[in-house]
Amino acid sequence: SAVISQKPSRDICQRGTSLTIQCQVDSQVTMMFWYRQQPGQSLTLIATANQGSEATYESGFVIDKFPISRPNLTFSTLTVSNMSPEDSSIYLCSVPTPQGSWYGYTFGSGTRLTVV
Amino acid sequence: AQKVTQAQTEISVVEKEDVTLDCVYETRDTTYYLFWYKQPPSGELVFLIRRNSFDEQNEISGRYSWNFQKSTSSFNFTITASQVVDSAVYFCALSRDDKIIFGKGTRLHILP
Repeated sequence: SAVISQKPSRDICQRGTSLTIQCQVDSQVTMMFWYRQQPGQSLTLIATANQGSEATYESGFVIDKFPISRPNLTFSTLTVSNMSPEDSSIYLCSVPTPQGSWYGYTFGSGTRLTVV
Repeated sequence: AQKVTQAQTEISVVEKEDVTLDCVYETRDTTYYLFWYKQPPSGELVFLIRRNSFDEQNEISGRYSWNFQKSTSSFNFTITASQVVDSAVYFCALSRDDKIIFGKGTRLHILP
């Protein structure tokens, strides 16, 4: 299965600033997904990042707050902009990965963000 | 609409006891996939199992077993002879067309 390197693993940021999270995959993938996991909560899909086109955002998430780049088939970034304490969460990227005749999902190790 | 419900928010059992984590899903699709993931305290998501909607055969992997009942839209997960290392949050998930939707998770505490 794919191996994902996600950086940074954690950060503490001041409110009003922005943080860019990077995900590097060791193989080419068409789709990459970005999730948010608020404290004690489940994972919520933020957006789907496709190479060569604009990201597709889920309801409740907007590009101005969470701009995404996808410059090639192995890399993507998610920026959390103008942060507030409510943005304190774990952010994870994910890619569908072949598992024999079917696909599973591999997740990055996550970025634990604390906004103060 | 697609939805995954894990009614058990938190469960505590004593080591070596068996424990079942419940998962009920909703979908109008005829083709879909169900997953279980484990999230230990370190935070990473560990894939446990995937099941497609056409395969209702139950599966056993070591101490883990899964019971898929399409008639009740359930995909329950049982850990036999639980161990302290099984302590984690377990997520049930549903996917279609590459999107995966997670339940709220069940936090499992295995007490020594």
